[in-house]
Amino acid sequence: DVKVTQSSRYLVKRTGEKVFLECVQDMDHENMFWYRQDPGLGLRLIYFSYDVKMKEKGDIPEGYSVSREKKERFSLILESASTNQTSMYLCASSNRGRTEAFFGQGTRLTVV
Amino acid sequence: DQQVKQNSPSLSVQEGRISILNCDYTNSMFDYFLWYKKYPAEGPTFLISISSIKDKNEDGRFTVFLNKSAKHLSLHIVPSQPGDSAVYFCAAIEGYNFNKFYFGSGTKLNVKP
Repeated sequence: DVKVTQSSRYLVKRTGEKVFLECVQDMDHENMFWYRQDPGLGLRLIYFSYDVKMKEKGDIPEGYSVSREKKERFSLILESASTNQTSMYLCASSNRGRTEAFFGQGTRLTVV
Repeated sequence: DQQVKQNSPSLSVQEGRISILNCDYTNSMFDYFLWYKKYPAEGPTFLISISSIKDKNEDGRFTVFLNKSAKHLSLHIVPSQPGDSAVYFCAAIEGYNFNKFYFGSGTKLNVKP
């Protein structure tokens, strides 16, 4: 079974904190993604990575950065958390080509 | 501007009847489409996909139809079951090696017993 594991299910952080969200996949996928899900807005792409140390901005990269030092791990960093970053964060991975992406269970982040 | 749109935020259907979820897209470069199902507090799970060279793909109770000229796809669930109650997202892929997934805003399906 494909597994994408996010380090936390629920997180509460204070405004201004630096926040790390970790994601690990065990299927040797080249592509990894970070999305956030907000009501009425669906899934919006923050960043994606198509190889180790490679990254591309998605639709809403402001306030976020990413790191991919190993193929199986993709980290999302909130440089200085703000209340408008309260959201459900979803990590996904996929092979290249015409194939589905597999999602982790999500991290519900609340910034207070 | 959203390139994949789901204009119905919610849909309510009686158990045993057909559920039809719709999705429109604007980017003619999309050539692979997917449907995902999401329960609360869980990640989306893949349901069914279709390539742009086809107009229909079936998998059990789930069928996806693609109308390329209209840039429209739909998901049919027959018969609908209460366990199908979830949020359904359609998605489209652009690119091949560095494929990006674009998602719609989702449709919340409620199947009433």
